[in-house]
Amino acid sequence: DADVTQTPRNRITKTGKRIMLECSQTKGHDRMYWYRQDPGLGLRLIYYSFDVKDINKGEISDGYSVSRQAQAKFSLSLESAIPNQTALYFCATRRTRGDTGELFFGEGSRLTVL
Amino acid sequence: AQSVTQLDSQVPVFEEAPVELRCNYSSSVSVYLFWYVQYPNQGLQLLLKYLSGSTLVKGINGFEAEFNKSQTSFHLRKPSVHISDTAEYFCAVRANTGGFKTIFGAGTRLFVKA
Repeated sequence: DADVTQTPRNRITKTGKRIMLECSQTKGHDRMYWYRQDPGLGLRLIYYSFDVKDINKGEISDGYSVSRQAQAKFSLSLESAIPNQTALYFCATRRTRGDTGELFFGEGSRLTVL
Repeated sequence: AQSVTQLDSQVPVFEEAPVELRCNYSSSVSVYLFWYVQYPNQGLQLLLKYLSGSTLVKGINGFEAEFNKSQTSFHLRKPSVHISDTAEYFCAVRANTGGFKTIFGAGTRLFVKA
């Protein structure tokens, strides 16, 4: 089983719909991240969280919100999806103790907004 | 702030040939450097990292990279590639003190031909 699990893996939706992408991890890491991947742009940080009470905006947070329901769960929401939010979304974790800077990624959630 | 430039968006190469994927970074502070690999339909996984010490870093699958502080580069090399190395490769940077965010380059798609 994957240590970082994202659901759904694929989703097609329409403009204006609310969408939630979920991430859960069994690695016991405190730090969790949401990235967006677009061709030619690499990965860009949307939001990150260091614990349940600590949530921070990344470089492209407009149009997105997050919820850290527990240490192991970090959800990304699009309140009203638009076509330019079509992308591949990744959740990642990072340990706090003994941090080497490595990020551990889920397998991604491909979102298409029509 | 940090930034990363991957100088080649695509690199086609024949099997068993050597390959170099180029990465330059910009930062006003000392950094940690990473290379991640993304195989088709998968998340990213760490290939290798430079934190300190020897500037030549060896990673998984026969890859290595050399940190060059004066040229602010961290190029990835492999002396003989296999078909299975076909993937997208991302260079990434993080400030080594108070570095909460990892910044990714746009990616280089390596295509190994038979």
